[in-house]
Amino acid sequence: GAVVSQHPSRVICKSGTSVKIECRSLDFQATTMFWYRQFPKQSLMLMATSNEGSKATYEQGVEKDKFLINHASLTLSTLTVTSAHPEDSSFYICSARPDRGLSSPLHFGNGTRLTVT
Amino acid sequence: TQLLEQSPQFLSIQEGENLTVYCNSSSVFSSLQWYRQEPGEGPVLLVTVVTGGEVKKLKRLTFQFGDARKDSSLHITAAQPGDTGLYLCAGVWAGTASKLTFGTGTRLQVTL
Repeated sequence: GAVVSQHPSRVICKSGTSVKIECRSLDFQATTMFWYRQFPKQSLMLMATSNEGSKATYEQGVEKDKFLINHASLTLSTLTVTSAHPEDSSFYICSARPDRGLSSPLHFGNGTRLTVT
Repeated sequence: TQLLEQSPQFLSIQEGENLTVYCNSSSVFSSLQWYRQEPGEGPVLLVTVVTGGEVKKLKRLTFQFGDARKDSSLHITAAQPGDTGLYLCAGVWAGTASKLTFGTGTRLQVTL
């Protein structure tokens, strides 16, 4: 089945530094990937839609200069949290849908737990 | 802003009991999905419903899509401790392409 891999699964960084999270579709191509953020005991909130070869589309209230998204290939999207602060600590999850099956469900990565100290 | 409200937010029951989780919106969905999420992991798809009035069963889980495609329910029969987790509905609203919006979530705890 379709697999989405996220790396790293956990990361701890100091306030003010930047952190890059990778999302890879292992056995399918995905023109579009989605990035979600989940705070403790809450649901997933869509942050942005990552589009291969073009700019990402950000949801209202999400700072595009703080959460940099790059979708350089059909199997890789990256989310960089720049100048991280403790309030950015969260669980970040990516998802992707195979290009060959637009009616197929999204496949989710296992998430990245970011802790900013 | 389109909202997807789930109720209840939290449910603690004993093994063997039945329960129903509701997912409601004021807008029409082109499709709706139910997921279960374990702590520290990504959500896992349980079912997708597309047609108004559709009912799908997955072992002890029964999913129903409202006739007007604005709401859905998940019914669990004879709950087991293994059913414990965060249940999320997620919908694609008509006209929003493939963007999936998640509900507020229902945290279920099943005890012995």
